[in-house]
Amino acid sequence: DIVLTQTPPSLSVTRGQPASISCKSSQSLVHSDRRTYLYWFLQKPGQSPQLLMYEVSYRFTGVPDRFSGSGSGTDFTLMISRVEAEDVGIYYCMQTLQTPHTFGQGTKLE
Amino acid sequence: EVQLVESGGGLVQPGGSLRLSCTTSGFIFGNYWMNWVRQVPGKGLVWVSRINSNGDREDYADSVKGRFTISRDNTQNTLYLQMSSLRVEDTAVYYCARFNWGFQVPDIWGQGTLVTVSS
Repeated sequence: DIVLTQTPPSLSVTRGQPASISCKSSQSLVHSDRRTYLYWFLQKPGQSPQLLMYEVSYRFTGVPDRFSGSGSGTDFTLMISRVEAEDVGIYYCMQTLQTPHTFGQGTKLE
Repeated sequence: EVQLVESGGGLVQPGGSLRLSCTTSGFIFGNYWMNWVRQVPGKGLVWVSRINSNGDREDYADSVKGRFTISRDNTQNTLYLQMSSLRVEDTAVYYCARFNWGFQVPDIWGQGTLVTVSS
């Protein structure tokens, strides 16, 4: 199984400051179609996960442009340029390159 | 508006069975693969199973293989998860999620239903 390791486990950020979360994969997430199957979700308190980023760096519908993603191969980063109060929750990376699809263990943003 | 609503969760004894349902609306259900993902309260997300759009291909996590069965009824826009031989460690919130084939990711999730396995 592909293992995704997120760091840090938790992050305390002042409103308006930047934040960065890392996700490292145990193997390359590049498909034979040359796309990279790495995604980011945010689970707000008491809610189900919501998709933020697809294929590393593309924002999903309605996601503010303060969110960005970068990386390649096995190393990926989610960045928030200026954290807002509504951004609190747990962030998960996920790979769908192969089954079982797997998630990182999560990063709690406070 | 796309909606996924899970139901069927509850308290069940170890070794028992339960069937979860996910009723969908707002999109052409028969065009999408569907997933089940679970989350132990306070813990992370774990992929459980997926099914293709016409229901003839299924994949499972090793932890549930042989005990859980995913299925769908495209005439009723509903996804199912039949769970048997339940274990205490199956206790979790179970989410159904629509799989966006273009993006290769579960893009829309339901609110989840809690399954508690306890004697």
